[in-house]
Amino acid sequence: GENVEQHPSTLSVQEGDSAVIKCTYSDSASNYFPWYKQELGKRPQLIIDIRSNVGEKKDQRIAVTLNKTAKHFSLHITETQPEDSAVYFCAATDIYNQGGKLIFGQGTELSVKP
Amino acid sequence: EAQVTQNPRYLITVTGKKLTVTCSQNMNHEYMSWYRQDPGLGLRQIYYSMNVEVTDKGDVPEGYKVSRKEKRNFPLILESPSPNQTSLYFCASSRTGFQGYTFGSGTRLTVV
Repeated sequence: GENVEQHPSTLSVQEGDSAVIKCTYSDSASNYFPWYKQELGKRPQLIIDIRSNVGEKKDQRIAVTLNKTAKHFSLHITETQPEDSAVYFCAATDIYNQGGKLIFGQGTELSVKP
Repeated sequence: EAQVTQNPRYLITVTGKKLTVTCSQNMNHEYMSWYRQDPGLGLRQIYYSMNVEVTDKGDVPEGYKVSRKEKRNFPLILESPSPNQTSLYFCASSRTGFQGYTFGSGTRLTVV
């Protein structure tokens, strides 16, 4: 089955710097890769996602890149702000063959220092 | 308001006493799922359902049961809870697999 590894487990940056979180997946059939943000005491919320037919997707200060050959994908946050501080989770699934079976990485705790 | 509603938010129970955590969504979503969240282990999928009467095991199904008799509801049943099931539980739903899951507010369960 699918396995998703996420690094680093913690990340501390200065406000205004960029942050990068990386994930690798094991199942080459995986074709959908969402990213979630979970603020302290709250539910995970979808912030961006990418399908396997796209190499990069951007939404304002957030971007995700996908390298299918290497089976890894990354979240990039530019011009970080204190409100970006949260735990970020990557996830992967093969939508066509496994439907709702979405496997998450272990999470990255991002701290943005003012 | 479009949402996934879980109840209860907090629950303390004793070992072996059967319990049910309810989950309901009002978005007519096909997919529903249960996750548990434990420190250092991220979100682990317990069960998921792609439609009414269709359920499948996730990565950690032992000790749990689910049912999907109606599209909107997906209850999680612990027939004989044990202390290792103490965790934060999230229900989630999605219209299609390519739209990601919308999560409920969570249920913090303590089994003593």
